[in-house]
Amino acid sequence: KAGVTQTPRYLIKTRGQQVTLSCSPISGHRSVSWYQQTPGQGLQFLFEYFSETQRNKGNFPGRFSGRQFSNSRSEMNVSTLELGDSALYLCASSFGSSSYNEQFFGPGTRLTVL
Amino acid sequence: GQQVMQIPQYQHVQEGEDFTTYCNSSTTLSNIQWYKQRPGGHPVFLIQLVKSGEVKKQKRLTFQFGEAKKNSSLHITATQTTDVGTYFCAVDNYGQNFVFGPGTRLSVLP
Repeated sequence: KAGVTQTPRYLIKTRGQQVTLSCSPISGHRSVSWYQQTPGQGLQFLFEYFSETQRNKGNFPGRFSGRQFSNSRSEMNVSTLELGDSALYLCASSFGSSSYNEQFFGPGTRLTVL
Repeated sequence: GQQVMQIPQYQHVQEGEDFTTYCNSSTTLSNIQWYKQRPGGHPVFLIQLVKSGEVKKQKRLTFQFGEAKKNSSLHITATQTTDVGTYFCAVDNYGQNFVFGPGTRLSVLP
């Protein structure tokens, strides 16, 4: 069974631009969660999508948004990029709710904002 | 909100020594998960604990959930260089999502 895939793996943007990251979950998984990982703040939850609906949202500004498609693939968008958005963005898929099921993480997208 | 602490933040051990990391929550937990992230890698699920006082073993790894379900520990017996990485606990935030602890970074000297 193929693992979680994320594209692109690396991205360099400048302040003010916007970016879209993509995540393809493991086949059969309906939940996709997104996390931001930085050396200073650790792993922080962004949001979770389940069957195309946003189930939960973390404490991030409205510039961070996401969506999930009918095939469970998910995208997250960050608008008006700031230097502090530089981070590793990880998505994780699980069969059911992420709160009670093993999460499988993708390799991440390394975003650098200049 | 949910407060999760992990101690120690860093641990350096000689290969063959034991290692323990602790995860402490400010509130009673419904369950807890442990993940390992190798340098340059992504978090990988290790175990989920649900019951009070639960103890689970995976080869050299022993996981324990506290009786009050507010803390947990991960113990590695006779560490190997392959154990290097950061160990995270993740706790259920009232059914909303998982809150990850800050992690314990383990270094193993050969």
